[in-house]
Amino acid sequence: GQNIDQPTEMTATEGAIVQINCTYQTSGFNGLFWYQQHAGEAPTFLSYNVLDGLEEKGRFSSFLSRSKGYSYLLLKELQMKDSASYLCAVLDSNYQLIWGAGTKLIIKP
Amino acid sequence: DVKVTQSSRYLVKRTGEKVFLECVQDMDHENMFWYRQDPGLGLRLIYFSYDVKMKEKGDIPEGYSVSREKKERFSLILESASTNQTSMYLCASSREDGDRYGYTFGSGTRLTVV
Repeated sequence: GQNIDQPTEMTATEGAIVQINCTYQTSGFNGLFWYQQHAGEAPTFLSYNVLDGLEEKGRFSSFLSRSKGYSYLLLKELQMKDSASYLCAVLDSNYQLIWGAGTKLIIKP
Repeated sequence: DVKVTQSSRYLVKRTGEKVFLECVQDMDHENMFWYRQDPGLGLRLIYFSYDVKMKEKGDIPEGYSVSREKKERFSLILESASTNQTSMYLCASSREDGDRYGYTFGSGTRLTVV
């Protein structure tokens, strides 16, 4: 079966750095996405990785290792508005998105 | 600003009612999707469509049907609403296969069946 694992909840301090991990086993791979979802709102696109390595976009970076079936999302200089759920999703061989259950990130002052 | 619009943000329906959830996108996207999202379960795919008048079952199609008569509109139908269909429903659209921009989501419809 297809599976995506990410921690259920993480807590971090304002101004700090946090890394949210995602491991996946899917039938094929055509890219990995990270989405941010604030409570009661729709997910919004953060990043896309299809090749190994680090993609940096401002305070957010996303890393991919296809051989290990592993990705992480790195958030720097955390702000209170970063409190949200972060969803990892993999595009499988049928070009369908397989979703993780999401990681709820709590930022404390 | 491109967008996906869902007709209702909040909806309360009675058990046994037929419920229509509408979704419209203005991006000329080929692909459209309906998900439900429940705490701890993540996004679960109900139905999707890659073209007008085309539909495919997702992971949890039971109790639902869909309609796509026009490219920009994808409707989800709960034939006879039940309390276990109380959930957040999210519509999404995307360009063709492998689009690096992923899906664009509507703001969601929180449906309560009483």
